[in-house]
Amino acid sequence: QKEVEQNSGPLSVPEGAIASLNCTYSDRGSQSFFWYRQYSGKSPELIMFIYSNGDKEDGRFTAQLNKASQYVSLLIRDSQPSDSATYLCAVPMEYGNKLVFGAGTILRVKS
Amino acid sequence: SQTIHQWPATLVQPVGSPLSLECTVEGTSNPNLYWYRQAAGRGLQLLFYSVGIGQISSEVPQNLSASRPQDRQFILSSKKLLLSDSGFYLCAWTGTGHTDTQYFGPGTRLTVL
Repeated sequence: QKEVEQNSGPLSVPEGAIASLNCTYSDRGSQSFFWYRQYSGKSPELIMFIYSNGDKEDGRFTAQLNKASQYVSLLIRDSQPSDSATYLCAVPMEYGNKLVFGAGTILRVKS
Repeated sequence: SQTIHQWPATLVQPVGSPLSLECTVEGTSNPNLYWYRQAAGRGLQLLFYSVGIGQISSEVPQNLSASRPQDRQFILSSKKLLLSDSGFYLCAWTGTGHTDTQYFGPGTRLTVL
C-alpha cells in the first residue's frame, strides 16, 4: 500500500516570502506526482504535476522532485494571502488509475 | 472544454434517511469516475471508482453504494444514513492528457443529524 506523508502544519509565512511544502512517498517506483490546492470549503484544484527528476516551474509555483530521496516539494514564490489554503500531494497507485492523497499541509500567508 | 457538475451543493438529512448524490461530466467520453469523502479537517478517502458503465469498484465497505447508469453519470447512494456519513463528498474524473490526472467537481456538503 502506497503512503504519502505531509506535515499537517499550519505553515505560516509572511507575504512576499517563499513557502516550501514537502511530501514524501513510500513507493520507490512512483513515476508521477500531483499537487492540489484546496481552499476552505471548496474542492481541490490541480496546481501542478511532475514526472521527471528536477524542477518544474509554472508562474510562481515550482515543483521539485527527488526520486532517490523519495520526496517532492512545492515552492511558492512571492507568497500572497490568497495562497492561504491546504495543499495536497498525490501519487498514483500502481493499478486502477487511482491516486493516493496525503492529508495535506495548511499554508497561511500573513500580510 | 470539460466540466463536472455535482448536486446538490448542500444537504441536511436525518439519520436513517436515504441518500442520492449525482455527478455528471460534460465534454468527454468514457471517463474514469471517482467518489471521495472528506470528513471535517481530514484527508480525502476514496469510496468508489468506475472505469465504465455498470463497472463499480468499492474501496471501503460501508453503507454507501455507487452506480454508473450512463457513461458520464455517477451516483452515490445510501439506504439509511449514519451520523458518520457526514462530510464533503467529491466526485472526480480523469483528464484526457494523462489518465492519472484527476479533476474534482464542486462537491456536496452532507450533514446528517
